[in-house]
Amino acid sequence: NAGVMQNPRHLVRRRGQEARLRCSPMKGHSHVYWYRQLPEEGLKFMVYLQKENIIDESGMPKERFSAEFPKEGPSILRIQQVVRGDSAAYFCASSPGDTDTQYFGPGTRLTVL
Amino acid sequence: QKEVEQNSGPLSVPEGAIASLNCTYSDRVSQSFFWYRQYSGKSPELIMSIYSNGDKEDGRFTAQLNKASQYVSLLIRDSQPSDSATYLCAVNRGDFNKFYFGSGTKLNVKP
Repeated sequence: NAGVMQNPRHLVRRRGQEARLRCSPMKGHSHVYWYRQLPEEGLKFMVYLQKENIIDESGMPKERFSAEFPKEGPSILRIQQVVRGDSAAYFCASSPGDTDTQYFGPGTRLTVL
Repeated sequence: QKEVEQNSGPLSVPEGAIASLNCTYSDRVSQSFFWYRQYSGKSPELIMSIYSNGDKEDGRFTAQLNKASQYVSLLIRDSQPSDSATYLCAVNRGDFNKFYFGSGTKLNVKP
């Protein structure tokens, strides 16, 4: 059973470009969470999604950031018009929903030049 | 006040000793508690979960929960250099499976 998959693992963007991060949850998991981690800091919750629904986006900036988890395909975190402050590691986690244990993907390291 | 608080460390212990990591949380309605280990540049991996007051043991790891004091800890017995990592405490309040993470405690186990 494959774990949580994220791609790309590393992403470099110039200021003003768009960043698109993908997350495929573990098989059988219908709940996806996105977190951001700055260097030497803890994980900050961004958004919690189920298939075709955003359950809680209270941790996500209201501008430039959006997330989706379509019926088919991976969950996508989209950052428009990136700025240097968006440089961070972005982790996706999934859970089956019947328990609350989360399993993390390897992360996407975003660097904004 | 942060939802989950941890000392950032670093906590240094000699090989073979017991490492004690502590975490406090602010919301009394919190229901589930987790310890994750994160090596530098890697993703968090789940070590232990605990839901009831008392101790829970798994190999060299023991999680301890005291809901009255809003305190959860992780003990690592016979610490090994490979245990050197940052340990993250996470708390779930039960509202839509929203998790709150502490900033982590860095553990150094010296050979």
